[in-house]
Amino acid sequence: QKEVEQDPGPLSVPEGAIVSLNCTYSNSAFQYFMWYRQYSRKGPELLMYTYSSGNKEDGRFTAQVDKSSKYISLFIRDSQPSDSATYLCAMERGTGFQKLVFGTGTRLLVSP
Amino acid sequence: ETGVTQSPTHLIKTRGQQVTLRCSSQSGHNTVSWYQQALGQGPQFIFQYYREEENGRGNFPPRFSGLQFPNYSSELNVNALELDDSALYLCASSLDGGRGTEAFFGQGTRLTVV
Repeated sequence: QKEVEQDPGPLSVPEGAIVSLNCTYSNSAFQYFMWYRQYSRKGPELLMYTYSSGNKEDGRFTAQVDKSSKYISLFIRDSQPSDSATYLCAMERGTGFQKLVFGTGTRLLVSP
Repeated sequence: ETGVTQSPTHLIKTRGQQVTLRCSSQSGHNTVSWYQQALGQGPQFIFQYYREEENGRGNFPPRFSGLQFPNYSSELNVNALELDDSALYLCASSLDGGRGTEAFFGQGTRLTVV
């Protein structure tokens, strides 16, 4: 079993829809949770960075972490065609050296 | 733009050859981590360099090695290339060993082994 599970998609939505992206994980030691956006043939771009449980909002993006359920989510409001990309969740323990553990990524397609 | 730059952007090598990939970290960052991303997969941690020392290593064989220089730029070297080494190689820049800090990625080097 992988430490981090993420549905690879693709997830297809119309422009303006609310998008929900999710990851589950098995290692309760994870303390820091990230969402990265990756366009085709590019490096991952950090979107959201949260510590422990709770919500964090930044513009159209909201990240939620539920450590009791080992479940994290990224919500995108008013989705745009430019949001079409692969979204990677990542997490780390925050102790020792930094080793990000990634999900496989969910490919999102937003149609005009 | 993150300020993390990698070179070259693309590379084609023959099985058995050796390759060196380069990464310049973001200004003010002293930690570089390397990741391998196979097609359709998430990045996998290779190793991390902090203040010119290897600070941690993932599940990769010794033919994957690295260096960090006094200006905190870094190299990833892969010897005896195998077909399965074909992937996007990413470096991530962070601060002070990176624990619990934000990591910013470069655009990657796409390596094809034929």
